[in-house]
Amino acid sequence: DAKTTQPTSMDCAEGRAANLPCNHSTISGNEYVYWYRQIHSQGPQYIIHGLKNNETNEMASLIITEDRKSSTLILPHATLRDTAVYYCIVRATNTGNQFYFGTGTSLTVIP
Amino acid sequence: GAGVSQSPSNKVTEKGKDVELRCDPISGHTALYWYRQSLGQGLEFLIYFQGNSAPDKSGLPSDRFSAERTGGSVSTLTIQRTQQEDSAVYLCASGRDSHTDTQYFGPGTRLTVL
Repeated sequence: DAKTTQPTSMDCAEGRAANLPCNHSTISGNEYVYWYRQIHSQGPQYIIHGLKNNETNEMASLIITEDRKSSTLILPHATLRDTAVYYCIVRATNTGNQFYFGTGTSLTVIP
Repeated sequence: GAGVSQSPSNKVTEKGKDVELRCDPISGHTALYWYRQSLGQGLEFLIYFQGNSAPDKSGLPSDRFSAERTGGSVSTLTIQRTQQEDSAVYLCASGRDSHTDTQYFGPGTRLTVL
């Protein structure tokens, strides 16, 4: 599975959009981009995933560049409860085993 | 509906003792994963079960670690002769099947080996 690069930490003002970048320059054609987050002392929580089209759900939007070498997770109106570590993962759906979570981005939403 | 549950939530044990950690996946999920997370670190894959297939044990760090999944549902992770470096949060996740790939995580078991 392709490796990802994320900033170690970010801050965002409450009510503003949080834009979390992820680089995955070695992604291959059959690999999806997944985002999970982990709030302190809890298990990781699935947010969203996509292949090449932008995706939106009730939690977030995922913007994938045309060359698929990077993506951005957007939390449109960040709240204090969105403070967490956000993991960007790329993997193929036919591998059927583990996700490589890396160290993620620690997002702090500031009142 | 009910999510993934794990028990116990916390376990303190003495070095050299054996421990068993339990995971109850979401009903109907055929995929089950175990990870561990040391303080301040990312998740480390341990083992993966998919239906009745042989499990992928490639992430188990030593032969002191084993896991089983009875009847395709509940799973138990066993650590024999625990060491202090085994202290971590052990997370279980389940999924509908390997191709869907969205994993739903339990709250974890925090293991402390004294």
